[in-house]
Amino acid sequence: QVQLKESGPGLVQPSQTLSLTCTVSGFSLTSYNVHWVRQPTGKGLEWMGVIWTGGSTDYNSALKSRLSISRDTSKSQVFLKMNSLQTEDIATYYCARANLNGYFDYWGQGVMVTVSS
Amino acid sequence: DTVLTQSPALAVSPGERVTISCRASESVSTLMHWYQQKPGQQPKLLIYKASNLASGVPARFSGSGSGTDFTFTIDPVEADDIATYYCHQSWNSPTFGGGTKLELK
Repeated sequence: QVQLKESGPGLVQPSQTLSLTCTVSGFSLTSYNVHWVRQPTGKGLEWMGVIWTGGSTDYNSALKSRLSISRDTSKSQVFLKMNSLQTEDIATYYCARANLNGYFDYWGQGVMVTVSS
Repeated sequence: DTVLTQSPALAVSPGERVTISCRASESVSTLMHWYQQKPGQQPKLLIYKASNLASGVPARFSGSGSGTDFTFTIDPVEADDIATYYCHQSWNSPTFGGGTKLELK
């Protein structure tokens, strides 16, 4: 069955780089787009970016200068890297599979990231 | 970016009908989708493309609308439906509404 699972360090120091991995199963990264969405505790959802089936990427304009999404199709993994982390980046980070019309039909369980020294 | 505006909270009683609205700052055709999120859980797709029920979702959930005005309805509400509901557009760079928190009266 379709599954997505985020992994990565739960604690990042201020100004350092966040690196997260989304490991997927039950589908191919060359057939479905994978998005990253984050949610500060108690707040709403924010779209971060997408890696398309062909490998190209698009990013939220507010995060574009700090964000990079890549993948390893042989390992069924999607990677998120975001630099210059600050306290405003404290959130739960989700990866989600997008269907043909862009809706997110499967989500990972999320990984909580704290920024603190 | 397309801004999606939802009412922040609604109070309901089990058995009632509740409607949540989502207004887009520009037309998104029918590429509007609805998710349910309970505390500590990831969002769950309920409605896609404005009015299509996602697999396994009970028929008491429904959606309608096109262009800039969309509604999401639960009829009748059950106690298990207490959650936050988000609209999401995929017409252009994805955005989410701020969420509508459903509370018990």
